Amino acid sequence: EAGVAQSPRYKIIEKRQSVAFWCNPISGHATLYWYQQILGQGPKLLIQFQNNGVVDDSQLPKDRFSAERLKGVDSTLKIQPAKLEDSAVYLCASSLGGGPLETQYFGPGTRLLVL
Amino acid sequence: AQSVTQPDIHITVSEGASLELRCNYSYGATPYLFWYVQSPGQGLQLLLKYFSGDTLVQGIKGFEAEFKRSQSSFNLRKPSVHWSDAAEYFCAVTPGGYSGGGADGLTFGKGTHLIIQP
Repeated sequence: EAGVAQSPRYKIIEKRQSVAFWCNPISGHATLYWYQQILGQGPKLLIQFQNNGVVDDSQLPKDRFSAERLKGVDSTLKIQPAKLEDSAVYLCASSLGGGPLETQYFGPGTRLLVL
Repeated sequence: AQSVTQPDIHITVSEGASLELRCNYSYGATPYLFWYVQSPGQGLQLLLKYFSGDTLVQGIKGFEAEFKRSQSSFNLRKPSVHWSDAAEYFCAVTPGGYSGGGADGLTFGKGTHLIIQP
């Protein structure tokens, strides 16, 4: 079974530029999460989708971050404009049906460096 | 709001020795508790989880964890570590008593970096 796929794996941009990350969850998984992991810290949830609907985006900085999951499968996370403090690893995770009883499977992440 | 504290940033253990990683949580009720491991270049992998019932849970790779409600703790243990156990370990929580359809994102601690000495 293929795992969660993410691309690109690395990205370097200058501040005020825009960037987009892509995630393809495990086939059949209804729930998709985006986490931000700053160096030296644990991952922090940015947004959770159930199929193509947003369940929780309370920690998403909506002035610069946006995310979509139009067809309920893959997802895109965008930052515009990027700030220095956005340098982090962006992790995508998916689970089969949603709910804490379901295991979240994580992708390898996209490492972003903002200069 | 729920929170997780992992008081040890780094721990060094000799290969073959026993291991205990500490985790304390703050939450009004009993949350669901998890331990994840993150190795360099690899994604987070679930080691074990606790929802209810027996407070000692077994996981993969020979790990176990014990939930202690009175201490709000969920410490991870392994009787004998291997060099391949060197990694970053994260404790995480999510609100308990829920299933399906709502917010269930994980709240992670800052992690404990495990170093194995030969």
